[in-house]
Amino acid sequence: EVQLVESGGGLVQPGGSLRLSCAASGFTFSSYSMNWVRQAPGKGLEWVSYISSSRSTIYYADSVKGRFTISRDNAKNSLYLQMNSLRAEDTSVYYCARERVMVTTQYYYYMDVWGKGTTVTVSS
Amino acid sequence: EIVLTQSPGTLSLSPGERATLSCRASQSVSSSYLAWYQQKPGQAPRLLIYGASSRATGIPDRFSGSGSGTDFTLTISRLEPEDFAVYYCQQYGYSPPYTFGQGTKLEIK
Repeated sequence: EVQLVESGGGLVQPGGSLRLSCAASGFTFSSYSMNWVRQAPGKGLEWVSYISSSRSTIYYADSVKGRFTISRDNAKNSLYLQMNSLRAEDTSVYYCARERVMVTTQYYYYMDVWGKGTTVTVSS
Repeated sequence: EIVLTQSPGTLSLSPGERATLSCRASQSVSSSYLAWYQQKPGQAPRLLIYGASSRATGIPDRFSGSGSGTDFTLTISRLEPEDFAVYYCQQYGYSPPYTFGQGTKLEIK
């Protein structure tokens, strides 16, 4: 079964740090680009960060640039998000999501597998 | 950055009715880069439609997507009780790679 399982969430004080993990199983993790997407309480989805399969390309949303670092260990089938200088507005459920690129006569990009999420609460 | 605007914010319908959800982009989007997701309370998003009109694996054929350029539509032909949820459109771009619409809540009337 194709699966993503996030962990590492919790309660942290403003200015603190947290490292999220996403364990992948049931597919060849090293062949897929991955994303982190978050959702603040009662709000919509916000893309956070992207890492290519080979780690050669990384992107961040402006809201987290300079504070968050995405990484992956293909040998361990794992994706990570190091979050530093956390703010109250970072409080969210954080999902990892697999990017699927389908190539036919065109290129199709979408997120086809999602984890259940891990909750991060930034509060004093 | 391309902004996706979904309408309406909330749609109140009854089971058996037809639902039409709109997603408008601030500039033209390639159809192959437009996807729709369903999210139920306490659950992760689920892919429904990719490439603007292709149903994902296991998605019932009452769900259909259409559109091009800046205007895209998700249609649910006959609402089932399990279809009441929040729906998001998403586009793939270059900077940033992905943006989401703000969502449409489909609620039971």
